[in-house]
Amino acid sequence: NAGVMQNPRHLVRRRGQEARLRCSPMKGHSHVYWYRQLPEEGLKFMVYLQKENIIDESGMPKERFSAEFPKEGPSILRIQQVVRGDSAAYFCASSLGDGSGNTIYFGEGSWLTVV
Amino acid sequence: SQQGEEDPQALSIQEGENATMNCSYKTSINNLQWYRQNSGRGLVHLILIRSNEREKHSGRLRVTLDTSKKSSSLLITASRAADTASYFCATLPYNTDKLIFGTGTRLQVFP
Repeated sequence: NAGVMQNPRHLVRRRGQEARLRCSPMKGHSHVYWYRQLPEEGLKFMVYLQKENIIDESGMPKERFSAEFPKEGPSILRIQQVVRGDSAAYFCASSLGDGSGNTIYFGEGSWLTVV
Repeated sequence: SQQGEEDPQALSIQEGENATMNCSYKTSINNLQWYRQNSGRGLVHLILIRSNEREKHSGRLRVTLDTSKKSSSLLITASRAADTASYFCATLPYNTDKLIFGTGTRLQVFP
């Protein structure tokens, strides 16, 4: 049973380019979360999605960032016109999302470096 | 806003010693989860304790939860150099499915 799969693991982008980060949840999990971790800091919530629906995007910056979780395929976190401050580790997590407060499992992360 | 605060921020001990990390939070919770993160890696789930539980064990790990004080502790007994990592508590507030992370404790275990 594969865990949460993220790719790419490492991504380098020049300022102004777009970054696309992908996440496939654990088998049977219908809910996906994205978190951002700046160096030497904890994880900050960005967005929470289920298939074709954004449940909570209160942690997403208002501009340049978007997330989706289509009916088919992985969840995508998209950052347009990246700036140096976007350099961080982006973690995806998944859960059953059945409201029972089950364990949330994390992927290995995608490290974005903006040069 | 960040839900959890952890202390200490950093902890250095010798192999064989016990390590205790504490986590405080602000709102009522469904459960509290502890994770480990090695440098440059993802988060590994260690243990989940529900709001109606007071203590849980898993191998060399012991977690306590005091909902009246809104605090939890993680004890690692007989530590090993391989336990060197950052440890995070994360709370699942009532009526949400959104984990809120603490600031983490960086543990270094010297051989």
